[in-house]
Parts: sequence; C-alpha cells; structure tokens
Amino acid sequence: DIVMTQTPLSSPVTLGQPASISCNSSQSLVHRDGNTYLSWLQQRPGQPPRLLIYKISNRFSGVPDRFSGSGAGSDFTLKISRVEAEDVGVYYCTQATHNPWTFGQGTKVEIK
Amino acid sequence: QVQLQQWGAGLLKPSETLSLTCGVYGGSVRDYYWSWIRQHPGKGLEWIGEIKPTGNTDYNPSLKSRVTISVDTSKNQFSLELTSVTAADTAVYYCAREEATSWSLDYWGQGSLVTVSS
Repeated sequence: DIVMTQTPLSSPVTLGQPASISCNSSQSLVHRDGNTYLSWLQQRPGQPPRLLIYKISNRFSGVPDRFSGSGAGSDFTLKISRVEAEDVGVYYCTQATHNPWTFGQGTKVEIK
Repeated sequence: QVQLQQWGAGLLKPSETLSLTCGVYGGSVRDYYWSWIRQHPGKGLEWIGEIKPTGNTDYNPSLKSRVTISVDTSKNQFSLELTSVTAADTAVYYCAREEATSWSLDYWGQGSLVTVSS
C-alpha cells in the first residue's frame, strides 16, 4: 500500500497567520493516464470529512480561496493563507492513484 | 445538492455481520462510484472499498475476504456488509460519493458508530 506521511502532525497557528501542511507519498502518485489523484480533506470536530482540494490544486465547490494546494510526483502541500477560527480541525491528504486508496495520518490545526 | 444518509445497527457481538446502508438524495446512484471508509476511535481514515455504476467492486485487500458492497438502484441506495466482526472493527463508518473524473470523495454521509463488544 502507498504510505502517505504528513508533517507536522500538529500545527498551532495564530488567527490570521498562514499554515502549511506537507504530504509525502511512498511512490509517485502520477497515474498512467497522466493525472495525479491527490486530494485534501478537512475534518472539523465531530463532523465527517469534507473535500477541500482535488487533483493536487483544484478547490472543491464552496471552498474559500484561502485554501490552496500544490505539488507534484510524491510531494504535496496544503496552505491556508490566513487561518480563521472555523479552520480548526484535522486535515488529511489522500491518494486514489493506487489501489487501495490511502490517507495520511492527519494534521491537527488549532489556534494558539 | 447531494445528501447521503446512512443507517444500520450500532452494536454488534463478535462474529456477527455488520450491515450499513447509505441512501442517496439529490442524485442517482447509477451515475457515480460509491465508497465506504471507516475511522477507528481517535484515529485516521481507512478506505474499505467502492462500487461502480456497472456493479463492479474494488475492496481494500486487508478486508477483502469479509467485505461486500452492493447497490440497490430501485431504492437509490448502496450497502456495506462486513462479516465476522471483532473488536478491531469498532469504528465510525462513512459512506461517500466518488467523483468520476477527479477520483475524490466529494460528498460524505454523517457517519455511523459501530461498536463490537461481547
């Protein structure tokens, strides 16, 4: 299985400041069709996960533009340009290029 | 707006069969892939498997021998069965829609806590 490693595991952030989460995969996530099926999920406390970003850098419908994704191959980053109180939660990267789908261990974003 | 509503038994004894159903509202179950994912208490996410519009399935090899995902197009819902459960299967189970071109999980059910205890 593809191992997805996220850093940091915890990210205390001051409101209004940026946050960045890295995700590294044990193999390249470039599919033979040329696409890279890497997405980011947000899970607020007590809620199901919510899709933020798909195929590395595409924001899902309704996701604020303070969220952005970047990367290629096996190294990816999620950035929050200015953290707001509603951004508190756990963030997961996930890959669907290789079967089975796998997830990172999660990064907890909290307010300092 | 697509909504997924899931239901099923929340307390099982070891060796019993877990059975959950996910109803699809605001869209057709025929038009997308559908997945089940679980989350052990306080832990990360684990993909269980998916079913395609054709009825074909893919399962996580770690669970493949015990898992069946099926779809009922007449009721616009899909289901998960996991046989011979143990305490290690205690988790919150989520159903989710898989967007066909981005291979991302774009809509999720509310989650169902399933506890396995004697």
